[in-house]
Amino acid sequence: AQSVTQLDSQVPVFEEAPVELRCNYSSSVSVYLFWYVQYPNQGLQLLLKYLSGSTLVKGINGFEAEFNKSQTSFHLRKPSVHISDTAEYFCAVKRNTGGFKTIFGAGTRLFVKA
Amino acid sequence: GAGVSQSPSNKVTEKGKDVELRCDPISGHTALYWYRQSLGQGLEFLIYFQGNSAPDKSGLPSDRFSAERTGGSVSTLTIQRTQQEDSAVYLCASSSPQLSPEAFFGQGTRLTVV
Repeated sequence: AQSVTQLDSQVPVFEEAPVELRCNYSSSVSVYLFWYVQYPNQGLQLLLKYLSGSTLVKGINGFEAEFNKSQTSFHLRKPSVHISDTAEYFCAVKRNTGGFKTIFGAGTRLFVKA
Repeated sequence: GAGVSQSPSNKVTEKGKDVELRCDPISGHTALYWYRQSLGQGLEFLIYFQGNSAPDKSGLPSDRFSAERTGGSVSTLTIQRTQQEDSAVYLCASSSPQLSPEAFFGQGTRLTVV
């Protein structure tokens, strides 16, 4: 079975500072990895995904993540955050063969301060 | 439709009543998920449908919860004899594993049991 651990429940950061949201996963088989964002009172939307190939993945809104197989990590980064990035961020994993569900981490609340 | 549609968007019910929550997935998506998100909490997996396979019901918290998916499209999540702890946002998502593995989410149904 797969599992996801998001190491920080809350991350406060000042505007224009860099940020890293940490995600570690556990799986005995190959997986796909995702980051989703949830703005207040909205559903989740996909930020970026790793399926195969280059381990550095770029997503929307200036976010990027790096897949590290040896450390089983998929940390999310942004070099300079904006107030509008304040949201809940979820890391997720799914087996890369068909027919299996997506497993989500507990989420990290990013709070960007002026 | 263009996206995942959930109805109602908000539901207030009295303790002990039954409720039905509806999800219209993206047309052609064979996979459908239900998740529950309690206030300030992460995503709790409830149930997963994939094509004609038997659903993965491993996340349903009690036998008061059930879900069905008719004709491989619309899904209904039913909660019988609602309790106050059932109050949460119920999120539906769908995906097309043959095309791309990421899940697309609806806006959710906010259930309040009074």
